[in-house]
Parts: sequence; structure tokens; C-alpha cells
Amino acid sequence: QKEVEQDPGPLSVPEGAIVSLNCTYSNSAFQYFMWYRQYSRKGPELLMYTYSSGNKEDGRFTAQVDKSSKYISLFIRDSQPSDSATYLCAIQIQGAQKLVFGQGTRLTINP
Amino acid sequence: EPEVTQTPSHQVTQMGQEVILRCVPISNHLYFYWYRQILGQKVEFLVSFYNNEISEKSEIFDDQFSVERPDGSNFTLKIRSTKLEDSAMYFCASSQAPRPQHFGDGTRLSIL
Repeated sequence: QKEVEQDPGPLSVPEGAIVSLNCTYSNSAFQYFMWYRQYSRKGPELLMYTYSSGNKEDGRFTAQVDKSSKYISLFIRDSQPSDSATYLCAIQIQGAQKLVFGQGTRLTINP
Repeated sequence: EPEVTQTPSHQVTQMGQEVILRCVPISNHLYFYWYRQILGQKVEFLVSFYNNEISEKSEIFDDQFSVERPDGSNFTLKIRSTKLEDSAMYFCASSQAPRPQHFGDGTRLSIL
């Protein structure tokens, strides 16, 4: 079983829609959860960082963690064409420094 | 907003040659990292560096690779005797604590 699994998409939605992006993980030792956005030919840009179960909101973005199900989500409200990018989940074990990334989901928001 | 900068943006090297990838981390950060992303694959961890020594490394980071912080601002990844399979995007990252990590825009390494 892969450490972190993420549907690579592609996912295409109309402007203004709510987008849901998800990752599952297999190791209960994972304690820290991040979402990165990556535009073409650019590096991963940190969007959200959380370490507890529940929701964390920042503007149009909400990160949700369910440790009991080993499932994390990123919701984007009122999606914009500028949100078109690849979204990467990244997870980290307590006491470790390496991030374990998902495959990334390619998202397109259509005007 | 402070950012991680990487040079060059694209490096083309002949197989068997040595290459050095350079990074300037965010100035008050203490932890430094290298990751790589082979085309179409996941971002993979290579190595982390803290307090002037390697603190964690992956199985990928073998004797072919080395890292150095030659001065107070630069962080380098050296790849000796490059192979075709070393072709990838190499990302440098830095952080104040082990998380969260902030990434540069990468160096695209092409081995011919």
C-alpha cells in the first residue's frame, strides 16, 4: 500500500464551483498535513498547514483532516481560473523532517 | 515576501559529469532540504540539513550526492558522475522549524 495516495485527475470544473481535493494515507504516525499549489514550471507553494483533526480555514480554502479515517481534504470555494494548477498533499511524521507527497491533482477552472 | 531562490533554472550536462545546483534559502531559516521530481512522478525527498550536518536522507541520496552550506547564505547539492536517470526537477526548500517547508522554483536538470 502506498504511503500517500492522491487521485491525479485531471479535474475540470466551472468557475465559481466548490472544489474538493483529497488524499488518503496509510501510516497513523503521520501527524502533520500540508497542501501545496504548483503552477506549471514553478515550485510547490504552501497553501495550508495543519496538525490536528478538524477544519482549518484560510480565505476561500479549507483544509480538513480526519485522522481516524486517514483522510485529508482541501476545499476551494468560489473557484477562480487563477486556481488552475496542480495541488499536492504532503504529510510528515512526528520527529521526521521529510515530507511525503501525493501524486498531485491537476485542476482546471473553466471561465 | 521572502522566498527561496535557485540557480540555474535549467542545467544541461553530459552524462558522467559533475553538477552543482545552488539555492539561497530564506534568510532566517535553519532547516534546508533538497527534493526531486522526475517528470510525471511524485516529489521525492532527498536530504535535510540542519546545524551544518545532514539530519535525514532518503535511499536515493547515495554516495553520488553531497550537500554543503559553504557560507551563511548558500546551500548546494552536488551530483557526481551524473546518470541519465538523474534528469529531473530539483527543488530546494527551507524552514524555521521542521515544518512548514517553503520551496524554490526548482532547477531542471537534463542529462544528455
